[in-house]
Amino acid sequence: GENVEQHPSTLSVQEGDSAVIKCTYSDSASNYFPWYKQELGKGPQLIIDIRSNVGEKKDQRIAVTLNKTAKHFSLHITETQPEDSAVYFCAAPLGGTSYGKLTFGQGTILTVHP
Amino acid sequence: NAGVTQTPKFQVLKTGQSMTLQCAQDMNHEYMSWYRQDPGMGLRLIHYSVGAGITDQGEVPNGYNVSRSTTEDFPLRLLSAAPSQTSVYFCASGRTDFLALHFGNGTRLTVT
Repeated sequence: GENVEQHPSTLSVQEGDSAVIKCTYSDSASNYFPWYKQELGKGPQLIIDIRSNVGEKKDQRIAVTLNKTAKHFSLHITETQPEDSAVYFCAAPLGGTSYGKLTFGQGTILTVHP
Repeated sequence: NAGVTQTPKFQVLKTGQSMTLQCAQDMNHEYMSWYRQDPGMGLRLIHYSVGAGITDQGEVPNGYNVSRSTTEDFPLRLLSAAPSQTSVYFCASGRTDFLALHFGNGTRLTVT
């Protein structure tokens, strides 16, 4: 099955700095790569996703890049704010292309200091 | 619009007891699933369903049963609770033509 490795496990930045979280995956057939944000006491919430036919996608201060050759994808957050503090998870489909059956990374605890 | 609703929010069980975690969604999603979240291990898929009457196993199905009698509900049953099942459980739903998942706010289960 799919294996997803996520780094770093914790990330601390100053408000206004950028934050980058990286994930690598094992199944070359995977074609969908979402990122979820989990705030304390809540379930994960999808913040951005990318499909394998594009290399980059942006949504305001967040962006995701994909390198299919190297089998890694990254989350970029610019101009970080304290409300960006949360746990972030990357994911990839189990079995490569199976919808909904996602394998998740171990998570990154992002702390943005005011 | 409630989205995905999980009950209870918290539960303490003794080893060997059984219980059912409830999950309901009001978005008419075909796909529903259960994940467990443990520190440092991300979320792991327990069971999933692609429609009423259809269920299948995920990565960590042992000790859990599911059924899907309606589109809206997908309960998770612990047959004989063990301390290793202490975890936070999340239910998620989605459309089968779109990969994004909608998660509930979780049930924190402690087995003593």
